[in-house]
Amino acid sequence: NAGVTQTPKFRVLKTGQSMTLLCAQDMNHEYMYWYRQDPGMGLRLIHYSVGEGTTAKGEVPDGYNVSRLKKQNFLLGLESAAPSQTSVYFCASSYGGDYGYTFGSGTRLTVV
Amino acid sequence: GIQVEQSPPDLILQEGANSTLRCNFSDSVNNLQWFHQNPWGQLINLFYIPSGTKQNGRLSATTVATERYSLLYISSSQTTDSGVYFCAASRNSGNTPLVFGKGTRLSVIA
Repeated sequence: NAGVTQTPKFRVLKTGQSMTLLCAQDMNHEYMYWYRQDPGMGLRLIHYSVGEGTTAKGEVPDGYNVSRLKKQNFLLGLESAAPSQTSVYFCASSYGGDYGYTFGSGTRLTVV
Repeated sequence: GIQVEQSPPDLILQEGANSTLRCNFSDSVNNLQWFHQNPWGQLINLFYIPSGTKQNGRLSATTVATERYSLLYISSSQTTDSGVYFCAASRNSGNTPLVFGKGTRLSVIA
């Protein structure tokens, strides 16, 4: 049972490049989330999904897009990376809003 | 939206000491969780505790929902307890995701 798997674990991008972060869960969870973690800021919600085919904006959605075409996968895209998007990105999943979250191990992204 | 504040921001303990971490939230909650982020960055769910008291080994947590705070107790601390402890809460049941506090950084010294 892998839980929540994030790929890649590390990535360096040049300003203006695009990339997609993949989050996969094998727990049949309905809800999935993308957070970013910056020093001294805690975790801030980027986008989330309450089921296959649904997405919603979080606190800091600008510059990101997401898709949830399959229940087990939640993709986070950066169309034109900026240095301000240098961060550690965490994906999480849960059965629902009133359940515990399971987090992936994170993706450390640096934009130069 | 809901505000989540944690205190203290930093805490240094001698191994074997006890500690209490506090989380205040600005509104009624239906979901409150405590997480530990270890020095390697992994986030581990410690407790799901929107109300009441739970215990797991040397760790316990209490949430007093009517007074809008939660406490995490660590007894007989060990160096492996080091890391950042996050409290996170959401205001309504259903779709509202967790909002995180900024964390308490704990360092346990041998």
